[in-house]
Formats: sequence, C-alpha cells, structure tokens
Amino acid sequence: AQSVTQPDIHITVSEGASLELRCNYSYGATPYLFWYVQSPGQGLQLLLKYFSGDTLVQGIKGFEAEFKRSQSSFNLRKPSVHWSDAAEYFCAVVIRGTYKYIFGTGTRLKVLA
Amino acid sequence: EAQVTQNPRYLITVTGKKLTVTCSQNMNHEYMSWYRQDPGLGLRQIYYSMNVEVTDKGDVPEGYKVSRKEKRNFPLILESPSPNQTSLYFCASSVGQGSGYTFGSGTRLTVV
Repeated sequence: AQSVTQPDIHITVSEGASLELRCNYSYGATPYLFWYVQSPGQGLQLLLKYFSGDTLVQGIKGFEAEFKRSQSSFNLRKPSVHWSDAAEYFCAVVIRGTYKYIFGTGTRLKVLA
Repeated sequence: EAQVTQNPRYLITVTGKKLTVTCSQNMNHEYMSWYRQDPGLGLRQIYYSMNVEVTDKGDVPEGYKVSRKEKRNFPLILESPSPNQTSLYFCASSVGQGSGYTFGSGTRLTVV
C-alpha cells in the first residue's frame, strides 16, 4: 500500500540553525509531492510542491525541498530557522491520475531562542 | 480573498444528536474533501467530491455523510455522533490533483 513516512515526530533546533525534515514515500511511480505547514490553531498551508523537472523546488517562507527518486524522498530544508517557523509540518503525496492524497503523520518543530 | 470557510470552529455535542459542519469555498474549485486530524495519525480522508453530485468515500467514511449540491458547498453530516468522532476536522478544496489544497481553519468537535 502507498504510504508516506515522516520518521521524526519532534525536532528541536536553535534559531538561526539549519533545518531538514525528512519525508519518504512508498509508491511505484513518482507521485506529486507536497509540504504543508500547520501553525497552532490553524489549518494547513501549502509550502511547496513538486510535479516534475528540476528536483530542487523553492517554496514560501524561505523553504526548499529536494526530490530524490533513488531514495523515494522529498526532504524539506531551510538554511536559517526563525522562531516563527515553530509549527507542525506535513509531507503529502498525490498519486498521479487520481485525487488520492496521502499525508504523513507530521513533524513538530520547536525553535529555541 | 480566496478561502475555504468552515463553521462552526468549535462544537460540543452529545452522543446521537445529528450535526452538520458546513464548508464553503469561493475559488470555483471542483475538488473538495474532508479530513479528520487526530494526534499521531496525521490527516485521514473522510470523503471527497470531484464535482457537483459526485462524491466518494475516503479512508475513514464510517459514521459520516456528505453532499455536493452546489459547487461551492460541501457539508459534512454526522447523523448520530459518537465519542470516537471527537476530532479536529478540516475541509479542503483544490483546482486540480497537482495543485495542492487550500484548507479551512478547522472545526474542533467534541462528542460527549
């Protein structure tokens, strides 16, 4: 069955440090790939998405993600974390040709001042 | 402003009392979906709709109903709520399968 794995439930980083959140998917073909952010008490907001082409995609709020087909991964990165980045982050895939969304279970980011 | 509007934001109800959570989008999106979010389980799809009068079950449809009589509205109906339906619910809409979702702000439902 298709699945999305976010192996880190919680991550804590210091403000100004770099960040990488991991996402792996299990599916035969390359799906559409997404990262969403959820601030406390809010809905999810789309950070970035990958369809095809350049495997490094840029998103909002200074985030980027790299698609690695050989590793079935789509890791989210930010060079320098701000306190306002503290939130929960969800990776998601959509199987091409369907509207079937599969979300990971999320990674909660804590930022230390 | 392009948005998905859910109401109510918070709801406490008793077991067995029918309720409806409304969802409306102003972006002319064809695709709409309902999710529930529970700690440690991420988001799980309840129902989705690909267009007016076209709906289908997601991963956890038991105990829920939906309807799509108009393009902009996609209400979620709990005919006989039970405590295991206590959760945070999100409505979302999308223009296409690869475009990503716009989410509502959520409805926190407590069934006692």
